[in-house]
Amino acid sequence: EPEVTQTPSHQVTQMGQEVILRCVPISNHLYFYWYRQILGQKVEFLVSFYNNEISEKSEIFDDQFSVERPDGSNFTLKIRSTKLEDSAMYFCASRGTGQETQYFGPGTRLLVL
Amino acid sequence: DQQVKQNSPSLSVQEGRISILNCDYTNSMFDYFLWYKKYPAEGPTFLISISSIKDKNEDGRFTVFLNKSAKHLSLHIVPSQPGDSAVYFCAASPIGNFNKFYFGSGTKLNVKP
Repeated sequence: EPEVTQTPSHQVTQMGQEVILRCVPISNHLYFYWYRQILGQKVEFLVSFYNNEISEKSEIFDDQFSVERPDGSNFTLKIRSTKLEDSAMYFCASRGTGQETQYFGPGTRLLVL
Repeated sequence: DQQVKQNSPSLSVQEGRISILNCDYTNSMFDYFLWYKKYPAEGPTFLISISSIKDKNEDGRFTVFLNKSAKHLSLHIVPSQPGDSAVYFCAASPIGNFNKFYFGSGTKLNVKP
């Protein structure tokens, strides 16, 4: 069964450093998403992406964040200058055309020291 | 932003009995609802969904009930199995917008053998 994959599974970085989280969505999906879950809190929407542009973003997704689809298979989330409060689990999701359901990857645990 | 609420952080049920997980929402523009299951160190896994034109959707042991007037939905698992032990998230999306899901804070279900 096709699934969303994410790399790395864990990332530790110093405050102020840039990180890139990578996702490979399900191959025939065209809608892509990033969510995050701070430890003990709910899953929060960050951004949606379609046709090489952002469809919608939350107030969390400020200028420090960017997304890109550099090739036909990868979808990345970049945090330019990480802050302590960026420590969270980051989930990528994808959705097929005509479908309502988003399918999630296993997540990347980001720890900012 | 508490548009989707799961007021019970945890629930413990005996194997074979019914598990009922509850979710309330405040935004009357929500018209599509989903339940996701999440195991530790994994991403949310889609379980079952319901659109606002229905009041019930069933898939095997899982049934979701929607009460639009009360802005309430529930997930019934019967019979409950130890493998059902996980965190269950309720999610909702606004009319015609499957690009942004609002998640509840989750209910941790423990099914005791």
